[in-house]
This record gives sequence, C-alpha cells and structure tokens, in this order.
Amino acid sequence: AQSVTQLDSHVSVSEGTPVLLRCNYSSSYSPSLFWYVQHPNKGLQLLLKYTSAATLVKGINGFEAEFKKSETSFHLTKPSAHMSDAAEYFCVVSASGGSYIPTFGRGTSLIVHP
Amino acid sequence: DTAVSQTPKYLVTQMGNDKSIKCEQNLGHDTMYWYKQDSKKFLKIMFSYNNKELIINETVPNRFSPKSPDKAHLNLHINSLELGDSAVYFCASSQVRGNTEAFFGQGTRLTVV
Repeated sequence: AQSVTQLDSHVSVSEGTPVLLRCNYSSSYSPSLFWYVQHPNKGLQLLLKYTSAATLVKGINGFEAEFKKSETSFHLTKPSAHMSDAAEYFCVVSASGGSYIPTFGRGTSLIVHP
Repeated sequence: DTAVSQTPKYLVTQMGNDKSIKCEQNLGHDTMYWYKQDSKKFLKIMFSYNNKELIINETVPNRFSPKSPDKAHLNLHINSLELGDSAVYFCASSQVRGNTEAFFGQGTRLTVV
C-alpha cells in the first residue's frame, strides 16, 4: 500500500520569503515521488520528480525538494516566493512493484501576500 | 501539440442523463488514468488502464465505465448522472509503471443540475 500525507492544508507567506510545503509518504516499495502544481481553474503541471537518483531534486520555477528516506519525507522548498506561486500543490507517490497508480496527497494551498 | 487532451472542457447536464468524456494522448504511453477532483481539490483515482488491464477503484459506482478503443484513448462514460457526480475529471497517462511522471489533461468540469 502507499499513501501521502501533506501536513498543511494551507501555507501563507509573504512575497520574497521562503516557502516550505511538507510531505510525508508511505510505501512498501521504493517510491517515485512527484510534486505537481495546479493554478486556479487549470490542469496539473509537474514541478519536479524523484526516481531513485539524486536525493536533492531541482524543479521548475526555482522549486526543489529533498528525498529523506529515514524520515519518509519529500518536502518542497523555494528560497523566495513570488506572487505567481500562489496555487494548489500536490505531493504524489507511485511505486513499481506495488501500486504503480499515482496516489495524491490532499493538497496544500499556497497563499502569497504582497 | 497537446500531450493529453480531454473534451469537452465544460459539461453541464441534467440529472439522469448519460454523458461521455473523451481523452486522447499522443505520447505513446501504455498507461492511462481517470481521476476525480472534488470540491476540496482532492484527486482520487477512478480507473487505471494498461495494455488491456483495467484496474477499477471499488468505490467508483458502476454507472461509470471506462472505454479504451486503443492505447491512445481512454474515454469515460457516465450513466444516470447524479448531482454528486459534479466535479472536475482529469485524464492522465504515463509511460512506465511507477517510474515516470503522469501527464495530465486540462480537466473536464462536469456540472449536474
């Protein structure tokens, strides 16, 4: 079985300050992990992915995430938030050998204040 | 070219009607999915279809049926629509099980009145 827990349903930051969106996963197999972003009334765009290579993964728009097996975490960070980062963010797990179907966390809404 | 395309983008229909949502991917992927996004933004898998293997989420009512005429298409047919079926439905595809990212369509917003 696999699951994802996004620890915050909402995160509010000021423009120019760091962003941290937290994600913990559970998987019986070696997982692949992804972060997707969904802007209002839009589809889902891949930000970055971890598939058993480097544990620190860099994505688009200045985002990065670190895979920590010991903590079963895959937190998303960005050094400086921009107004355009305001969106819904989803952490996703899938695993070969187990349920390969991408399983979503419940999402974190990122609010960016001017 | 759009990688995963869904039609229609918006669908408004009355209770009791039957409707279909079409999905096509031009990525050559073997696996396709349907997800339902509820009003709280939660995305829940409905179906996964890989090389003629259909995996059904048991919580999905049997009024929902996926149809795959070929590897590039996975359509969603819904019978006897109910108010609770109102949601955004996303189609997605991926290449290799679990190892690569899924590519998503833009979604179909279904409103049942």
